Amino acid sequence: DSGVTQTPKHLITATGQRVTLRCSPRSGDLSVYWYQQSLDQGLQFLIQYYNGEERAKGNILERFSAQQFPDLHSELNLSSLELGDSALYFCASSVESLPYEQYFGPGTRLTVT
Amino acid sequence: ELKVEQNPLFLSMQEGKNYTIYCNYSTTSDRLYWYRQDPGKSLESLFVLLSNGAVKQEGRLMASLDTKARLSTLHITAAVHDLSATYFCAVDGEVIQGAQKLVFGQGTRLTINP
Repeated sequence: DSGVTQTPKHLITATGQRVTLRCSPRSGDLSVYWYQQSLDQGLQFLIQYYNGEERAKGNILERFSAQQFPDLHSELNLSSLELGDSALYFCASSVESLPYEQYFGPGTRLTVT
Repeated sequence: ELKVEQNPLFLSMQEGKNYTIYCNYSTTSDRLYWYRQDPGKSLESLFVLLSNGAVKQEGRLMASLDTKARLSTLHITAAVHDLSATYFCAVDGEVIQGAQKLVFGQGTRLTINP
């Protein structure tokens, strides 16, 4: 158990819908990273927040957004969902703003039908 | 743009045999990470390699880093079925405006047969 929690574990929704994925980092960690893992794209970095502020952006679609709240938990919002958004979404956390020693959560499996 | 390539992508081997997974990366980087992922599960950190010549061992797994060759290896000794998993290497990307991201390889799916 890494200490990073994610909810929900599974999510099934229809195309065009909007969902919110939640992540709570390990106690003391200030950085949260979001990743998407799919069969065709592999493991892709989406976005990083550090102490409430956006720090780095990766291959995140405009339909996706994220934020980190004062209690350091983070939410990833996915809207206008398409079939191709079906994937495992992981968050990870680390103490510093740089990615050394990231700890991954259990993931949320999103299925878009 | 930093690219990380693993070789092979699929590996089926017998218990008791030795094998090596290779991880090449395209630009200079300070650190290299190895992760393990079981099917449908999260990524578990195995090793963090910090400098040229670094070698770390845990059980039947040993990882090494050659920063001059931009190459890391994950060596499996006398494989056992429990080591069946997908193994990822990842490299720190360039620091841009104080931000840095991990770039992952494609993963190597390792299957160990009795």
